[in-house]
Amino acid sequence: DAKTTQPPSMDCAEGRAANLPCNHSTISGNEYVYWYRQIHSQGPQYIIHGLKNNETNEMASLIITEDRKSSTLILPHATLRDTAVYYCIVRAPGANNLFFGTGTRLTVIP
Amino acid sequence: GAGVSQSPRYKVTKRGQDVALRCDPISGHVSLYWYRQALGQGPEFLTYFNYEAQQDKSGLPNDRFSAERPEGSISTLTIQRTEQRDSAMYRCASSLLTSGKAGELFFGEGSRLTVL
Repeated sequence: DAKTTQPPSMDCAEGRAANLPCNHSTISGNEYVYWYRQIHSQGPQYIIHGLKNNETNEMASLIITEDRKSSTLILPHATLRDTAVYYCIVRAPGANNLFFGTGTRLTVIP
Repeated sequence: GAGVSQSPRYKVTKRGQDVALRCDPISGHVSLYWYRQALGQGPEFLTYFNYEAQQDKSGLPNDRFSAERPEGSISTLTIQRTEQRDSAMYRCASSLLTSGKAGELFFGEGSRLTVL
């Protein structure tokens, strides 16, 4: 039941912007796009979410295309501590199940 | 505590034994979730509570798995007659509500179950 498609892995040089793409071509009008990340064996950590407008917080920016069929998570200045698996999830308000999929393994290279 | 607390952190058991995994969510969080995570995979949904009511148990793999949250706070995931395929990291998460920023899930460190 995967609703999102992400590349399995990406590399990024330390200090550069990391742009993680996500395809969600079947997204419904009321579904939000959420991003979580999981560092090593820790529990997943919320990063950001949005509906149709671009969003920015202290961790990252989320760019959602006008047709909402894809989005990009941007880490503006990647550090070694950003090495993690990043999950893009679509979720309707009130829906209880976040489907994580396999995510993108981002490796930040010194 | 400040975060979601799970115990035990590690559990090794023999096949056929029952195990109980405990989750203490963030105080005041309405929703509580159980996920299972195999090595190299993303978390897989098991079940979900709002307060004490189990709203969705569609992810529980079979009737050996059960969960309860009798007073709307602490939850227990019980696996009866464990099998080797039950070996995994079991993660609990809680959220204030189920949507928007309040729908942010806070995960515990997990309970790693190994069935010999």
